[in-house]
Amino acid sequence: AAGVIQSPRHLIKEKRETATLKCYPIPRHDTVYWYQQGPGQDPQFLISFYEKMQSDKGSIPDRFSAQQFSDYHSELNMSSLELGDSALYFCASSQRQTRNSPLHFGNGTRLTVT
Amino acid sequence: AQSVSQHNHHVILSEAASLELGCNYSYGGTVNLFWYVQYPGQHLQLLLKYFSGDPLVKGIKGFEAEFIKSKFSFNLRKPSVQWSDTAEYFCAVIVYNTDKLIFGTGTRLQVFP
Repeated sequence: AAGVIQSPRHLIKEKRETATLKCYPIPRHDTVYWYQQGPGQDPQFLISFYEKMQSDKGSIPDRFSAQQFSDYHSELNMSSLELGDSALYFCASSQRQTRNSPLHFGNGTRLTVT
Repeated sequence: AQSVSQHNHHVILSEAASLELGCNYSYGGTVNLFWYVQYPGQHLQLLLKYFSGDPLVKGIKGFEAEFIKSKFSFNLRKPSVQWSDTAEYFCAVIVYNTDKLIFGTGTRLQVFP
C-alpha cells in the first residue's frame, strides 16, 4: 500500500541557506501535518493543512513557511537556516472526513545544518 | 491548553517482564487517543488507537491500552516484553474536531535479555 512519501531523506545545508522539504500524502488523504523532532526530543507540531488551506499552526518559526498544493502534496520552506534547525522533519497525513482515519507518518527528512 | 503527560521517562525491564506505561491527558471533552512507537533510527509507527467503543484497545505486537475516562488516562500495557520492544513510546491525543496531534514527552523503554 502507498505510504506517505517525504523527500529528500537527508539534507545538509549551511547556516543562512534555505531548504525545501516535500511531503506526498497517502492518496485521498486531504490533511497534512508537519512535525519537527530535535535530537532527543519529542515531536513538535509545526503546521497543518486541510484542503490546501492552513488549518492549524504550532511552534513554527517565522523563517519557515509551508503550503499545500492542488494535488495535496505539501512543501515546508525554511529560510535563514540556523544550527538549531537540525532535526528530523516528518509529515503525516489523514483523511479528515473519516473520523477513524489515523495518522500515517512519512519516514522523515533529516536536516543537518552546519 | 491541552497537554499529555507521560510520567515514566525511562523504563528498564528484563525480557518477559510486564510493562505498563502511563499516559494522562488534560482535556474534559471528547478525545482520540494514540500510542506511537519509534524504534531506533525509524519513524513513528502507530501501535494502537482509541476513538470510541470498548475502552480496552488491542494493538500490534501484543500491546494493549485501556482508556479510563474518569482518570483521563490511556495506559499502555504488554504482559511480557521482548528485547525487540526497546524503543521510545509516545502517547498522543487529538481533541475531537481539531487538527493538532498533541504528543507526550515519550518514554524510553530498554529491555535487556
